[in-house]
Order: sequence, then C-alpha cells, then structure tokens
Amino acid sequence: ETGVTQSPTHLIKTRGQQVTLRCSSQSGHNTVSWYQQALGQGPQFIFQYYREEENGRGNFPPRFSGLQFPNYSSELNVNALELDDSALYLCASTPTGDTQYFGPGTRLTVL
Amino acid sequence: GDSVTQMEGPVTLSEEAFLTINCTYTATGYPSLFWYVQYPGEGLQLLLKATKADDKGSNKGFEATYRKETTSFHLEKGSVQVSDSAVYFCALSDRAGNQFYFGTGTSLTVIP
Repeated sequence: ETGVTQSPTHLIKTRGQQVTLRCSSQSGHNTVSWYQQALGQGPQFIFQYYREEENGRGNFPPRFSGLQFPNYSSELNVNALELDDSALYLCASTPTGDTQYFGPGTRLTVL
Repeated sequence: GDSVTQMEGPVTLSEEAFLTINCTYTATGYPSLFWYVQYPGEGLQLLLKATKADDKGSNKGFEATYRKETTSFHLEKGSVQVSDSAVYFCALSDRAGNQFYFGTGTSLTVIP
C-alpha cells in the first residue's frame, strides 16, 4: 500500500477527444510524476511537478499537460487523443529524495 | 540521451535457482539507479536502489551493485521462490531527480 490513488481505473475515449486523469498522493509528498506504460513496455516519463510547478519533462508533445494542487492531488490532461495514447497511465509521488511511490494506474483505451 | 537497457525476457527458473537480470545504462553525470518490481495485478514497487558508484542496494534477498566502470546495475538473488514471480524494471534518475528512465521490464516466472 503506497498511499497513492488514481481515478478512474479504466476509461474509454474516442480519437480526438480530451481526457483528464487524477491522482491523489500522501500529505507531504511535494513531487508527483506521471508516466505512460504501453502494453509490454516500461513506463515512459511524461513530466514531473514540484510544488505546483512543472520541473521536468520527457519526450511528450504539449497536448500532454498537467496540474498539481496544494492538497497533494494532481491531474494529467491529454488533448486531441490519438490511438497510440492507449496505455496504462501511472502517477508516482515522492516525499523527499528520489524514491517514488506508484499508484495502481488508469487504463486508457482510445478507439 | 539517458537510457536503460535490460535483459530480454521472459525468464523461467526453478525454485531455489540463482537469478541474474542484467541492466546497463547510459547517462550523463551521476544518476541514481533503481530496481522496481510489479507483481501480477499490482502497481510498481521499489525493490532497491543505489545512489553512487560501488553502492550496493539490497532488499528481500535481492542485491544490485552500482558499477560505474561497466555502467551496470545487475539484479541478483541467490535462491528464488515462487513468490518472486513478477516483472522487474531497471530504472535511473538524473542527479537532480527530475528525469526518469525505465527499462522495458523482464518477466520472471519461478516454478516449484
């Protein structure tokens, strides 16, 4: 039990739509990172937020954006969904240092 | 750019066999190195980590040593159990801790 929750568990969207995924982490975990994990692959780093500011980004286009809130929750927004966006989306929170605690993920299917 | 390459799977071992899963990395600077485990139906869990050269991370009988000279962080366990069946991911973070890279994962099945 990592104390990190994500919602929804599963989601189905159609190409071109927009989606918002949510993550709630433990009190005091000031850093949150989001990852995309395609089937059979390792997680790919999307971006990281620290105290509500983006402070690291992987190789993902601007249609992937995020928000972090003072209550230790965060959002991943994806605009103009493409078929290749179908994946498991993971969030991970960090209290201090570099140990990440992962949530169970949201499975997104784009039709 | 930075990257992690890990041993292709799947790996099938008999109980009590010795396990090695190879992991090599490419990075600028001095990254931190990690092994994560994903049990069936569960999320990723940190297994062990090492933050500088020659450090050895260990947990639950698993070990990995940060080898800067060979840019490797191989995972080992002397005697695997059926309960070790899972997918194992090698990962690195840059020194600032705001960029992360994962390997593709190695599936391990341990049979009685």
